[in-house]
Amino acid sequence: DQQVKQNSPSLSVQEGRISILNCDYTNSMFDYFLWYKKYPAEGPTFLISISSIKDKNEDGRFTVFLNKSAKHLSLHIVPSQPGDSAVYFCAASDTDKLIFGTGTRLQVFP
Amino acid sequence: DTGVSQNPRHKITKRGQNVTFRCDPISEHNRLYWYRQTLGQGPEFLTYFQNEAQLEKSRLLSDRFSAERPKGSFSTLEIQRTEQGDSAMYLCASSLLGGSNEKLFFGSGTQLSVL
Repeated sequence: DQQVKQNSPSLSVQEGRISILNCDYTNSMFDYFLWYKKYPAEGPTFLISISSIKDKNEDGRFTVFLNKSAKHLSLHIVPSQPGDSAVYFCAASDTDKLIFGTGTRLQVFP
Repeated sequence: DTGVSQNPRHKITKRGQNVTFRCDPISEHNRLYWYRQTLGQGPEFLTYFQNEAQLEKSRLLSDRFSAERPKGSFSTLEIQRTEQGDSAMYLCASSLLGGSNEKLFFGSGTQLSVL
C-alpha cells in the first residue's frame, strides 16, 4: 500500500514559469515532510522540508505548502530554471525512516 | 565534508552469485540507512542502524540479504544467491541522530545488474 503518492510521473514547464509538484499521503500520523531532488546516476539530495505544525516553508525559489486536512503537499519552484530538470521525490517521516513517493520527473525547457 | 560514500558504483553479476556493497557514512552520523530503488519507483526502505545496532528491517529484506555495521562506522550489505529481481540501485544514507524531523544524506548508490 503506497502511503506517499505522486500521481504525476512527469511535468514539463517553460523556463521562468512556475513548477508545481504535488504529493498526497494517507497516514495522518506523519508529522514531517521532505522533498528530494535526484539527477541520473546520483543519490537523492535534500531540497526543502516542512513540519506538520506549519503550512508553508520557503527557501529561495522553493516553497512547500502543506494542507493537513487534505493530506496534501506541494512544491512550488519559481522561476523554474533548466538546471531544475530532475526527478523530485516527496517523502514523509515515519518514526525513524522516510517513506518516499514514486517521483515526478520535471523538465524545464527554454 | 566528504559526504556519504558508496562502493562500488556499479556491479554486474551472474544469477546465483553473492555480492557485497560498502557504505561509508558522514563521519559524525550515528544513523545509517539502506534503501533500494528500482526503475520508476521511489527509494524503498530496507534497514537502518543506530551506531552498530540494527534496529529495523523491512519485509523487503529477505533471508538472502544481510547488513552489518560492525563498529558503528561503515556498513556492508550482502546479497546471497542473487536473483534477477535484485537488480536495482542500492542507496545508503546517514543522519546525525535519527528520529522525526531529521533529513537523510544519501550516497550516489550502487547500481546492481543481475544477469
